[in-house]
Amino acid sequence: DAGVIQSPRHEVTEMGQEVTLRCKPISGHDYLFWYRQTMMRGLELLIYFNNNVPIDDSGMPEDRFSAKMPNASFSTLKIQPSEPRDSAVYFCASSILAGNTEAFFGQGTRLTVV
Amino acid sequence: QKEVEQNSGPLSVPEGAIASLNCTYSDRGSQSFFWYRQYSGKSPELIMSIYSNGDKEDGRFTAQLNKASQYVSLLIRDSQPSDSATYLCAVNRAKAGTALIFGKGTTLSVSS
Repeated sequence: DAGVIQSPRHEVTEMGQEVTLRCKPISGHDYLFWYRQTMMRGLELLIYFNNNVPIDDSGMPEDRFSAKMPNASFSTLKIQPSEPRDSAVYFCASSILAGNTEAFFGQGTRLTVV
Repeated sequence: QKEVEQNSGPLSVPEGAIASLNCTYSDRGSQSFFWYRQYSGKSPELIMSIYSNGDKEDGRFTAQLNKASQYVSLLIRDSQPSDSATYLCAVNRAKAGTALIFGKGTTLSVSS
């Protein structure tokens, strides 16, 4: 398996623009997680899905953030409108069983909002 | 109290020494514990998992768990410069089917 695939790897956008991050989990993994990593806050859980259904979105910072998982092989994280404080590395991860097994991470998307 | 706490470091050790990394967690019902390694600019990768009290050894790595004290540690024996990275402690919440919560990580620097 190719592992968790994220795109794009790097994104530079202007404040106020819409940003969409994409993720393809490992086939057969029922759980998909979106994390955000910054120096100040570390690796924060934003939202996670089980069998394409959002389970916990309490980590989503504001209404500007939204996530979808239309099928088992694709998820998006959208920020609209983007702000400079959204600059971070966004990781997608997937696992077979939620917190009881290893989560496999994608390569991440480095987002810079100017 | 934060859910998972780690000393941010940096922790500096000479090559060949033992590096000791520590982590405490707040949810007494947590059952699964993981150590991830993250090189600069890369994604986290799993190096150890531990589920029961005591020690678990894998090569140069030993994970230690003490649920009564809510404490997890990672020992790296014969440290190598290639071990220089940030080490993230991850813990699950007691509620079933929940995601891993990560500490902010400890940066380890091994000098040759």
